[in-house]
Formats: sequence, structure tokens, C-alpha cells
Amino acid sequence: AQSVTQLGSHVSVSEGALVLLRCNYSSSVPPYLFWYVQYPNQGLQLLLKYTTGATLVKGINGFEAEFKKSETSFHLTKPSAHMSDAAEYFCAVSGEAAGNKLTFGGGTRVLVKP
Amino acid sequence: EADIYQTPRYLVIGTGKKITLECSQTMGHDKMYWYQQDPGMELHLIHYSYGVNSTEKGDLSSESTVSRIRTEHFPLTLESARPSHTSQYLCATRQFHEQYFGPGTRLTVT
Repeated sequence: AQSVTQLGSHVSVSEGALVLLRCNYSSSVPPYLFWYVQYPNQGLQLLLKYTTGATLVKGINGFEAEFKKSETSFHLTKPSAHMSDAAEYFCAVSGEAAGNKLTFGGGTRVLVKP
Repeated sequence: EADIYQTPRYLVIGTGKKITLECSQTMGHDKMYWYQQDPGMELHLIHYSYGVNSTEKGDLSSESTVSRIRTEHFPLTLESARPSHTSQYLCATRQFHEQYFGPGTRLTVT
């Protein structure tokens, strides 16, 4: 079985401040981990992914995430928030044994204040 | 990059009507998925397919049905729509470890 927990359904940050979105997972097999972003009335867009190799993963729009196996975490960060970062962010996990199905966290809505 | 199309984007329909939500893709991916997403909530897998003539139910029970007669096409059908079916429906494909999502169909049943 696999699951994802995102701490905080809403996060408010000031423009230019650090963005930190927390994600913890559980998986009975080595996980593949993903962060997606969803803008209003749109589908999900992949921000970044971890499959194997380097544990610090860089994605689009200045985001990065670090896979920490000992903490079962995959937190998403961006050093300086921009107004365009306001969106819903989803963490997801999958594993080969799970038939490649993704399990999503509950999502975190990011509000960026000017 | 995958191109995934969903139609209609928005649909308001009365209770009891039959509806089909269309999903098509141009990349030839074998794996396709349907997710249901209530406003501000997480995604729930309702159907998936690993190729032509393959369909499986997902983690969330749904009264909808799907078919996969062609690789590029994965329609979802509700025989009799109810207000409880009001939601956003997202179609996705998968290649290797990446899923690609369509823009979604927002369905409102009155």
C-alpha cells in the first residue's frame, strides 16, 4: 500500500519569500515521487520527479525537492515566491509493484501576497 | 510532450441524462487513467486502462463506465447523471514514470 500526506492544506507566503510545501509518503516498495501544480480550471502539470539517483531534484519554475528516505519525505521548495506561483500543489507517489498507479496527497493551495 | 484533449471542458446537464466525456491523446501511450476531483480536494482514480480492450476500476467506486477500443481514445460514460456526479474529471496518460494530464471536464448535474 502507498499513501501521501501533505501538511497544510493552505500556505500563504509573501512575494519574494521562501516557499516550503511538505510531503510525507509511505510505500512498501522503493518510491517514485512527484510534485504537480494545478492552476484554476486546468489539469495537472508536472513540476519535478524523483525516480532514482540524485536525491535533490530540480524542476521547472525554480522549484526543487529533496528525497529523504530516512524521513520518508519529499518536501518542495522555492527560494523566492512569485505571484505566478499561486496555485494548488499535489505530491504523489507510485511504485512498480503498484501497477504504476499514482496516489495523490490532499493538495496544498499556495497564496502569494504582494 | 503528450497532447491530451478532453471535451467538453464544461458541461451542465439535468438529472437522468446520459453523458459521455471524451478523452483523446496523440502520443500512442498505452496507459490511460480517469480521475475524479472535487473542488479543492485530492484526485481519486476511478478507471484505468493498460491498452486496447483493457479497462479496470480504480480506487474510488464510480457509477461511470469506460471503454478502450482504440489506443488514442478513452471515453467515460455516465448512463444516468445525478447531482452527486458533479465534479471535475481529469484524463491522463502515462509513459515510463510520468503521467500527463488533460485540461479536465467540469461537470455539473442539476
